[in-house]
Amino acid sequence: AQKVTQAQTEISVVEKEDVTLDCVYETRDTTYYLFWYKQPPSGELVFLIRRNSFDEQNEISGRYSWNFQKSTSSFNFTITASQVVDSAVYFCAVTNDYKLSFGAGTTVTVRA
Amino acid sequence: GAVVSQHPSRVICKSGTSVKIECRSLDFQATTMFWYRQFPKKSLMLMATSNEGSKATYEQGVEKDKFLINHASLTLSTLTVTSAHPEDSSFYICSARASGVGTEAFFGQGTRLTVV
Repeated sequence: AQKVTQAQTEISVVEKEDVTLDCVYETRDTTYYLFWYKQPPSGELVFLIRRNSFDEQNEISGRYSWNFQKSTSSFNFTITASQVVDSAVYFCAVTNDYKLSFGAGTTVTVRA
Repeated sequence: GAVVSQHPSRVICKSGTSVKIECRSLDFQATTMFWYRQFPKKSLMLMATSNEGSKATYEQGVEKDKFLINHASLTLSTLTVTSAHPEDSSFYICSARASGVGTEAFFGQGTRLTVV
């Protein structure tokens, strides 16, 4: 069985602050894939990143960056210089290539 | 990214009636489609997985006779909520993925179902 824990339920920051979202996963598979999705108030889920278990290289995409640490089973997500448009629920997910198991989500509110 | 279209985005129906939700992959062939349900301020709960041309696989606790899933083509899957009751009111989201190892799933816009 797979499980994702997002311990932070809600985070509130002021615009331009950095915010880091924690994600800890559990899986018995040696090959697995990790994802982050964003769900804005409109409800649609937006794909942000996919990382496979063999690639621990951290990634940066604009103001977004991800830190994958297999040793601690963590896949944390940082938004640098946050903006109001970043306000959303963010979900971390894991799959062994069959079905996605989602964390509970972290609600990020960025205040102007 | 790939586009998944879900329709309708909102629907209100009377208790006892059936509602059909469509999920289409617009620019890729979706060998697998997933249906999720999301309660307010909660995570996504997988309801069922469907592969084109075969019967859907339902998660434990999900009534297959109530939530009918059809995946008749590589671009279309439908979820029919039969004999809907107020407790079926929820946000339903579909996702689709192409074949291939580790391919990401793309999500539809979601459907807000309200049963009155």
